[in-house]
Amino acid sequence: GENVEQHPSTLSVQEGDSAVIKCTYSDSASNYFPWYKQELGKGPQLIIDIRSNVGEKKDQRIAVTLNKTAKHFSLHITETQPEDSAVYFCAASISFIGGGGNKLTFGTGTQLKVEL
Amino acid sequence: GAVVSQHPSRVICKSGTSVKIECRSLDFQATTMFWYRQFPKQSLMLMATSNEGSKATYEQGVEKDKFLINHASLTLSTLTVTSAHPEDSSFYICSARTGATNEKLFFGSGTQLSVL
Repeated sequence: GENVEQHPSTLSVQEGDSAVIKCTYSDSASNYFPWYKQELGKGPQLIIDIRSNVGEKKDQRIAVTLNKTAKHFSLHITETQPEDSAVYFCAASISFIGGGGNKLTFGTGTQLKVEL
Repeated sequence: GAVVSQHPSRVICKSGTSVKIECRSLDFQATTMFWYRQFPKQSLMLMATSNEGSKATYEQGVEKDKFLINHASLTLSTLTVTSAHPEDSSFYICSARTGATNEKLFFGSGTQLSVL
């Protein structure tokens, strides 16, 4: 089955700096890679996702890059703000051509702390 | 994004009682919903896949008689923790798939269960 590794487990940055979280996956068939943000006591929130036919995707201050050959993908947050502080999870799954997909395999999470 | 509503957000019960958690997709129909369990500072662990109109599919090691799942309609899935014990205390989160290719997974806000 799929195995997703995520690093670092904790990350502290100064407000305004950039933050990068990296994940690797094992199953070359995986083609859908979402990122979730989870605040304390809440459910995960989908913040950005990327499919394997795209190498990079950007949405305002967040971006995700994918290297299929190396089987790794990364989340980039620029101009970090205190409200970016949360736990971030990467995930991987196989998305079917007709729609739907198999279950998501999650990384172990990264606690991001943005300090003033 | 799509809205998944989960209730209650927090429940405290006595050992031996049963607790029901509801998960509703508010603005879309979900033939498949997923139930996760999360321990403090850990990743999400898939418990079972809830299929509308049929039996749920449980992950290895999850007791189906302990965690009863019912998916009676396209917008509602319920998880009942039967004869709860302190070791069942955890954060339970439901999710559902939607999107143009039905691959995006959206989560409810979670239920913190505390069994005394």
